[in-house]
Amino acid sequence: KQEVTQIPAALSVPEGENLVLNCSFTDSAIYNLQWFRQDPGKGLTSLLLIQSSQREQTSGRLNASLDKSSGRSTLYIAASQPGDSATYLCAVDGGSQGNLIFGKGTKLSVKP
Amino acid sequence: DAGVIQSPRHEVTEMGQEVTLRCKPISGHDYLFWYRQTMMRGLELLIYFNNNVPIDDSGMPEDRFSAKMPNASFSTLKIQPSEPRDSAVYFCASSPDGLGEQFFGPGTRLTVL
Repeated sequence: KQEVTQIPAALSVPEGENLVLNCSFTDSAIYNLQWFRQDPGKGLTSLLLIQSSQREQTSGRLNASLDKSSGRSTLYIAASQPGDSATYLCAVDGGSQGNLIFGKGTKLSVKP
Repeated sequence: DAGVIQSPRHEVTEMGQEVTLRCKPISGHDYLFWYRQTMMRGLELLIYFNNNVPIDDSGMPEDRFSAKMPNASFSTLKIQPSEPRDSAVYFCASSPDGLGEQFFGPGTRLTVL
């Protein structure tokens, strides 16, 4: 059974720092991996989607990498800003259409 | 496009009452998903539809839960009778092809007293 783990559960950094959020999964037979952002009381916003054949995806200050063989993904946030404060969720699609398995998220706080 | 629309945004009800949550997916998306989020268990898939047909309902916790999709622009998730342990945030999401990006609605926060 696929399990997704995110470490750390919470992270607090000063504004301007570069940071890395980690995601690991137990079954490497994935179709894709997605990173989401969730603001308090809000839904999820998709940030980046990496197909299993890709190694990384970039969007602005965000860069996500995928290493299927080791069951790991990282989300790199450059030059963090207070507006980046949110919970970041990682989810893997096991190839069964629609079956996204989520980690419990990393709650990020960026202090001005 | 307005994105995925869910109603109500908040629902407070008493144990034993019937609860109906509603979702309008993004036009043109063939897949619709219902998720539940709790502090203890995180986000869990309950059921998903492809072209209005339920494909996988293995995540539905009990027979008290049922979901329908009568047409491409509307789905409901019903809980009857509701119990306090059903209190959670319920999300609806849609996807154009089921294997790519999923787009989430704002969620319905359900409290069962």
